[in-house]
Amino acid sequence: AQSVAQPEDQVNVAEGNPLTVKCTYSVSGNPYLFWYVQYPNRGLQFLLKYITGDNLVKGSYGFEAEFNKSQTSFHLKKPSALVSDSALYFCAVRGLGGTASKLTFGTGTRLQVTL
Amino acid sequence: EPEVTQTPSHQVTQMGQEVILRCVPISNHLYFYWYRQILGQKVEFLVSFYNNEISEKSEIFDDQFSVERPDGSNFTLKIRSTKLEDSAMYFCASSVRTGTTGELFFGEGSRLTVL
Repeated sequence: AQSVAQPEDQVNVAEGNPLTVKCTYSVSGNPYLFWYVQYPNRGLQFLLKYITGDNLVKGSYGFEAEFNKSQTSFHLKKPSALVSDSALYFCAVRGLGGTASKLTFGTGTRLQVTL
Repeated sequence: EPEVTQTPSHQVTQMGQEVILRCVPISNHLYFYWYRQILGQKVEFLVSFYNNEISEKSEIFDDQFSVERPDGSNFTLKIRSTKLEDSAMYFCASSVRTGTTGELFFGEGSRLTVL
């Protein structure tokens, strides 16, 4: 069975500082990894994904994520945080579940960026 | 930009009543999903749907739940006899790609409150 762990319930960072939101995964076979962001009372917005190739994936709003196979991690990063980045971030993994295989989400990490 | 739309945005119902949540996926997408989120917490998979049949369902998706795509555009989730614990935000999602590489696009959600 596939699973994702987000070890931090909340991450606090000052605006302008780099941020990292951690994610580790467990899946049979090759992992297909995703990050989503959720703003208050909104749906989930796709940020980026890793399928294959370069371990550093770039996505929306200046976010990037680094895939590390040996550590089974897919941490989300941004060089300089903005107050508007404050939201709930979900890591997700998609396994070999067939044609319409599901995404399995982590428990989410709340990012709080302060001035 | 194409988007997934969901109605109603909020529904309040009495325990034991039937509820239908509606979704219009992105028009060229082929794979459809329902997820739920309780109190802004973990996003839980309910069901996936492709080629007019269920591809996969979770243990949450019991006999009280059903899905259908009645007219080629709408994708509905029906809860036959609602329980208090069905109170949650329900998200519809769709994906264009087969297999495991495509990201899911989510709607803004339907908040269900069961009294």
